[in-house]
Amino acid sequence: QVQLQESGPGLVKPSETLSLTCTVSGGSISSYYWSWIRQPPGKGLEWIGYIYYSGSTKYNPSLKSRVTISVDTSKNQFSLRLSSVTAADTAVYYCARVRVAPYYFDYWGQGTLVTVSS
Amino acid sequence: DIQMTQSPSSLSASVGDRVTITCRTNQSISSYFNWYQQKPGKAPKLLIYAASSLQSGVPSRFSGSGSGTDFTLTISSLQPEDFAAYYCQQSYNTPITFGQGTRLEIK
Repeated sequence: QVQLQESGPGLVKPSETLSLTCTVSGGSISSYYWSWIRQPPGKGLEWIGYIYYSGSTKYNPSLKSRVTISVDTSKNQFSLRLSSVTAADTAVYYCARVRVAPYYFDYWGQGTLVTVSS
Repeated sequence: DIQMTQSPSSLSASVGDRVTITCRTNQSISSYFNWYQQKPGKAPKLLIYAASSLQSGVPSRFSGSGSGTDFTLTISSLQPEDFAAYYCQQSYNTPITFGQGTRLEIK
C-alpha cells in the first residue's frame, strides 16, 4: 500500500520561501507523476503542479513564477518550494500520486497546514 | 483555464436517499473527469475516474456518468458515512482544475 507523508515547517514568514517534502513509502517513486495540491482553510482545492520521476515538471500558471517542484529518487521523495509567500498562501498542502490518462490523484498524503504569518 | 461549475453547493438529504451532484465545464473535456470525497480534516479520496470508472474499494452505490461538458455523480442510497464534501476535477488541460465543492449534510 502506497503511503505519502508531507513534512516541513508549519509557520513561514511573509516574503520567505515555503519548503515541503513528501516521502513516498510502500512503493517506488519511479514511473509515476507526483503532485502538490493545496486547500486554503474552508475553501476548495487548487492544483499547484506535478513532476515526473525523471524530473520533468508542469506548474499552475497562477503560481509558476514562484513554484519549484523537484524529485530525489534515491530518497523516494519529492519537494515543493514556493517563494515570496503571503497570507494568501496559508493552506493545507497535500502531496499526491498522479495516474495518467486521465490525470487523477489516487493516493494522497494526510496534508500539512502551513500558515504564513509574522 | 477550464472553468468548472458544480451544483448544488450544498445539499441536505437523509439516509437511504438517492442523491445527484452535477458538474459542468465551459468546454468539452471528453472523459478527462474525476470525482473525490473529502471528510473534515482528511485528504480527498478518489471515487470515480475517467467520468464513470469506479476506483477500487469504493462502494458500488457511487456511480459517475457524462462526457463532454456535463457530468454527474450519483449515490444510489445514502449511508451515514457518505455525508462529506464532494469535488469534481478535470484533467483535459493544465492547469488541472477542481469544482468549488458540494457539501452533503444530514437532513
